[in-house]
Amino acid sequence: DAGVTQSPTHLIKTRGQQVTLRCSPISGHKSVSWYQQVLGQGPQFIFQYYEKEERGRGNFPDRFSARQFPNYSSELNVNALLLGDSALYLCASSLVSMGQGQFFGPGTRLTVL
Amino acid sequence: GDSVTQMEGPVTLSEEAFLTINCTYTATGYPSLFWYVQYPGEGLQLLLKATKADDKGSNKGFEATYRKETTSFHLEKGSVQVSDSAVYFCALISNFGNEKLTFGTGTRLTIIP
Repeated sequence: DAGVTQSPTHLIKTRGQQVTLRCSPISGHKSVSWYQQVLGQGPQFIFQYYEKEERGRGNFPDRFSARQFPNYSSELNVNALLLGDSALYLCASSLVSMGQGQFFGPGTRLTVL
Repeated sequence: GDSVTQMEGPVTLSEEAFLTINCTYTATGYPSLFWYVQYPGEGLQLLLKATKADDKGSNKGFEATYRKETTSFHLEKGSVQVSDSAVYFCALISNFGNEKLTFGTGTRLTIIP
């Protein structure tokens, strides 16, 4: 079975631009979460969606938004990019939303110039 | 709020040495605890977990015991291999209404032959 997939793998943007990152969860998984991992640090929670509803939001500005589609795939949007948004963006999925841990994708490396 | 404190790295060991990576946490209630591993150029993989006090999680020769009295979840392995070289993250989930993982900063482990 395919694991969590993310696209694109790498992305280069300039300050002020907007970016959309995509994630497909493991088949049958209904929960998708997004994390930001800055180089040398642990991942920071951005959003969680379960059954297309937002279940959690981390301490990120409103420039960050997300949604989940009927097929449980998800998009993360970031507007008005800043240099500090350069990071590895990780998507994770789980079967349910019960604190049992998640399966992570390989990530999208975003570089903002 | 929730927090995870990990032993600072990097850690360098010889093959077949004993490994301990310390992890302590602060959380409300009774969190679930996790160790994730990140190999170079890859996403995070769930290594092991424990969901209640005194539980021992184990996988691939790694073990960690949930110690509520000391709020700790130290990772151990009796004999490390070169292939264990990676970054290890301790994490917790305290709010079971969502899947928000709170991570430590990670410990980079290098095993030399």
